[in-house]
Amino acid sequence: ELKVEQNPLFLSMQEGKNYTIYCNYSTTSDRLYWYRQDPGKSLESLFVLLSNGAVKQEGRLMASLDTKARLSTLHITAAVHDLSATYFCAAFTGGGNKLTFGTGTQLKVEL
Amino acid sequence: NAGVMQNPRHLVRRRGQEARLRCSPMKGHSHVYWYRQLPEEGLKFMVYLQKENIIDESGMPKERFSAEFPKEGPSILRIQQVVRGDSAAYFCASSPQTGDEQYFGPGTRLTVT
Repeated sequence: ELKVEQNPLFLSMQEGKNYTIYCNYSTTSDRLYWYRQDPGKSLESLFVLLSNGAVKQEGRLMASLDTKARLSTLHITAAVHDLSATYFCAAFTGGGNKLTFGTGTQLKVEL
Repeated sequence: NAGVMQNPRHLVRRRGQEARLRCSPMKGHSHVYWYRQLPEEGLKFMVYLQKENIIDESGMPKERFSAEFPKEGPSILRIQQVVRGDSAAYFCASSPQTGDEQYFGPGTRLTVT
C-alpha cells in the first residue's frame, strides 16, 4: 500500500526566508502532485512531476522529483505572506487510479 | 467551461439522519472520484466511479456509505445514519479519461450535530 509522508507538518517562517518541504512516498508512483489549500477552500493544483529529475518552477515555488529516492521537494524562495496556506503532495498510482495524499504542511509566513 | 460543481457547500445533519452529497463533473469528464478530508488531515480516497459503474471502492467504509454515478445526473455520495465522526469535508474530483489529471470541486463540508 502506497504511503506518503510530508515534513514538516507545521512551518512558521519570516518573510524573505527560504525553506523546503519534503515529501517521501513508499512505493513506485507514476507521478507526483503538489497542491495548495487555503482555509475552507478546495485544492489548487501547483505542479505535476512526471519523471525522475523533473523540476518545475512558478514564482517563488519550485518542485523537484527524485524517483530513485522516492522523494519530492517543494522549495520556497524569499517567502511572502501570501504563500501562507497548507501544502499537500500526492502520489498517483495509475493502477489504482487514485491519489494518495500526504498529511500536509501548514505554512505560516510572518509579516 | 465550468469546473467541478458540488452541492450543497455546507450541510448540517443531526445524528441518525441521512446526508446526500452531489457532484457534477466538468463537461466531457466521465470519471469521478470522492475523497474525504477529516479536520487537520490530508485527503483520503473513498471511491472511483465511471458512468453507471463503481470501479474502485476500496476507501469506502463498509457500512452506511454508498456512491453512484447514474447515466444522467450528478454523482451522489450517500451517508446513512450519520455519526459525529462523519463530520468532514468531502471533495469530488473528475477527469476525462482514466489516468488523467483530476480536477477538484469546492467540497461539501458536513457537520453532524
